[in-house]
Amino acid sequence: ETGVTQSPTHLIKTRGQQVTLRCSSQSGHNTVSWYQQALGQGPQFIFQYYREEENGRGNFPPRFSGLQFPNYSSELNVNALELDDSALYLCASSLEAGVSYNEQFFGPGTRLTVL
Amino acid sequence: GNSVTQMEGPVTLSEEAFLTINCTYTATGYPSLFWYVQYPGEGLQLLLKATKADDKGSNKGFEATYRKETTSFHLEKGSVQVSDSAVYFCALSEQGNNRLAFGKGNQVVVIP
Repeated sequence: ETGVTQSPTHLIKTRGQQVTLRCSSQSGHNTVSWYQQALGQGPQFIFQYYREEENGRGNFPPRFSGLQFPNYSSELNVNALELDDSALYLCASSLEAGVSYNEQFFGPGTRLTVL
Repeated sequence: GNSVTQMEGPVTLSEEAFLTINCTYTATGYPSLFWYVQYPGEGLQLLLKATKADDKGSNKGFEATYRKETTSFHLEKGSVQVSDSAVYFCALSEQGNNRLAFGKGNQVVVIP
């Protein structure tokens, strides 16, 4: 069983640029959630995708957008990058989104640095 | 909205000492509660969970009890090892979904 994978591992961008981060969910999982973890902080929920539809969004502006594909992999897109977007971006996959105790399995993250 | 509060600051203790990390939460209804751990150089992984009041989650010698009356889910371990050095996050998900709200985390350093 393959775990959650993310690409790229590290990324450096400049202010105003756009970035796409990718996540492959664990086999059999139909739900993908994205989190932003600033240095020294806990992860913050960005949004979740369930069966290719957005299923909840945290307190992030519209320039953070996403997609989920038929194979349940997912992308996170961030437009007009700002310095404060520098963080570790975590993807997590799980079974059915509507069950609160369903464990989320996290990928290793993508470290984004905005200069 | 939902929120999780963890005690401030890193925790440094000697091997075989008793560990407690405090966690309190604010949520409507009956959330599920979790402790996640982030070992150096590794991704977040679930340590334990509890899904209803008075449930006790346990794993690897760690325990936490879901206390609805005090809205708490404190993490404890009776005798820590150097290998327990990591960052520990308390988290919750509200009824009806599994989106996680995390606390800020506590760095635990165990000295031989």
